[in-house]
Amino acid sequence: GAVVSQHPSWVICKSGTSVKIECRSLDFQATTMFWYRQFPKQSLMLMATSNEGSKATYEQGVEKDKFLINHASLTLSTLTVTSAHPEDSSFYICSFSGLNTEAFFGQGTRLTVV
Amino acid sequence: AQSVSQHNHHVILSEAASLELGCNYSYGGTVNLFWYVQYPGQHLQLLLKYFSGDPLVKGIKGFEAEFIKSKFSFNLRKPSVQWSDTAEYFCAVNEANTGKLIFGQGTTLQVKP
Repeated sequence: GAVVSQHPSWVICKSGTSVKIECRSLDFQATTMFWYRQFPKQSLMLMATSNEGSKATYEQGVEKDKFLINHASLTLSTLTVTSAHPEDSSFYICSFSGLNTEAFFGQGTRLTVV
Repeated sequence: AQSVSQHNHHVILSEAASLELGCNYSYGGTVNLFWYVQYPGQHLQLLLKYFSGDPLVKGIKGFEAEFIKSKFSFNLRKPSVQWSDTAEYFCAVNEANTGKLIFGQGTTLQVKP
């Protein structure tokens, strides 16, 4: 299956700072990547769809100015959490899934904002 | 909007008991269906998937699921659970023309030895 590499795997940052999470497709080209967020003991919630060379599409209720997504190449998508606050602490996961394939997930990033 | 509903939020079973976890989705178009498992402290792992063909799908670790189109359901089953099956289980639906996954709320399965 496709390999998706995400890093960092965990990060601790101070409130008010920004954090960038990278998601790379190692053995395929991804025109579309997906970003999910998972709070403790909850399900994965789709945050946005990252489109190579164009603006990301955000799900309802997700602040696009707070969660900046950049998909500048076919192998790299980034999620930047700007002006992070403790309530942004969560597990962030990227994935690739084709139109008729299973999803391939990155390892996830545990963000803790203190 | 498309949604996925898992009826059982927390299930407690003894070893060797049979398991069935319910999953229903709301979407009238063509979908692909998945069950994922998340063991404590680990990442998502694909249990099984349905794209087309035989509606009874067999996955890893003895799990199977049946797609019933008329009921918009994709229930997960296992004849005899083990203590090692203790985990969080997620049903997910992928719109066939978008690729994005919509997850159910998840079911926590606790198997007592």
